[in-house]
Amino acid sequence: EDKVVQSPLSLVVHEGDTVTLNCSYEVTNFRSLLWYKQEKKAPTFLFMLTSSGIEKKSGRLSSILDKKELFSILNITATQTGDSAVYLCAVEALILGGGGADGLTFGKGTHLIIQP
Amino acid sequence: DGGITQSPKYLFRKEGQNVTLSCEQNLNHDAMYWYRQDPGQGLRLIYYSQIVNDFQKGDIAEGYSVSREKKESFPLTVTSAQKNPTAFYLCASTLTGGSQPQHFGDGTRLSIL
Repeated sequence: EDKVVQSPLSLVVHEGDTVTLNCSYEVTNFRSLLWYKQEKKAPTFLFMLTSSGIEKKSGRLSSILDKKELFSILNITATQTGDSAVYLCAVEALILGGGGADGLTFGKGTHLIIQP
Repeated sequence: DGGITQSPKYLFRKEGQNVTLSCEQNLNHDAMYWYRQDPGQGLRLIYYSQIVNDFQKGDIAEGYSVSREKKESFPLTVTSAQKNPTAFYLCASTLTGGSQPQHFGDGTRLSIL
C-alpha cells in the first residue's frame, strides 16, 4: 500500500523564522511528488518534483526531492503570517488496475502557524 | 475565468437520505477526481474518471456513486449506505497523458442533521 508521511504534524514559529517541512514516501510506480498549501478551502498547488536534487523555488518557498532516500523537503524563509496554513505533500503514482491512470496519495499535512 | 466549481459549499443530510455534490470544470481537463478529507487527515480518493462514461473506484468508494456523462461534470452522490458521511469533499481535475498537477475546487462541507 502506498504511504506518505509528513512531519511535523504541527509547527508554531515566529514571523521571520525559517521552517523546513518533511515528507517521506513509499510508493510503487512513482511519477512525481507535489506540495500544496491549504488554507480554508481548496488546496493550491505549490510545486511538482520529478527529478532528484533539482531545487524548485518560488519566492520564499523552495523544495527538493531525493528519490534515493524517498523524501522531500519544503523550505519557507522569512515566514509571514500569511504563510499560516496546512501544507500537504502528495505522491503521484500509477494506480494498479486503474487502466493507466495516475493517482495521488496524500500525507496528513503539516499545520503551520506563524505568530506575529 | 477557468476553474473548478463545486456546489453547494455546505450541505446537510438527514439520516437515510441520498445527496449529490456537484463538480463542474471549464479547464477542458480529461481526468476528474473526488476526495474526502477528515479533520487531521490527508485526502483520500473516492472515485476518479479519465474519460467520459468511464470511472473507477478509489480507496474508499463504498457508500458513494458517481457519473461522468459530460467531460465538464463529475457529480458525486453520497448514499444512505455511507454511515459516516460528515467530511469535507474536494473535487479535482487534470489533463492526462503528461505530468500536470491536479487542481482543486473549493470543496463542499457535508454534515449530518
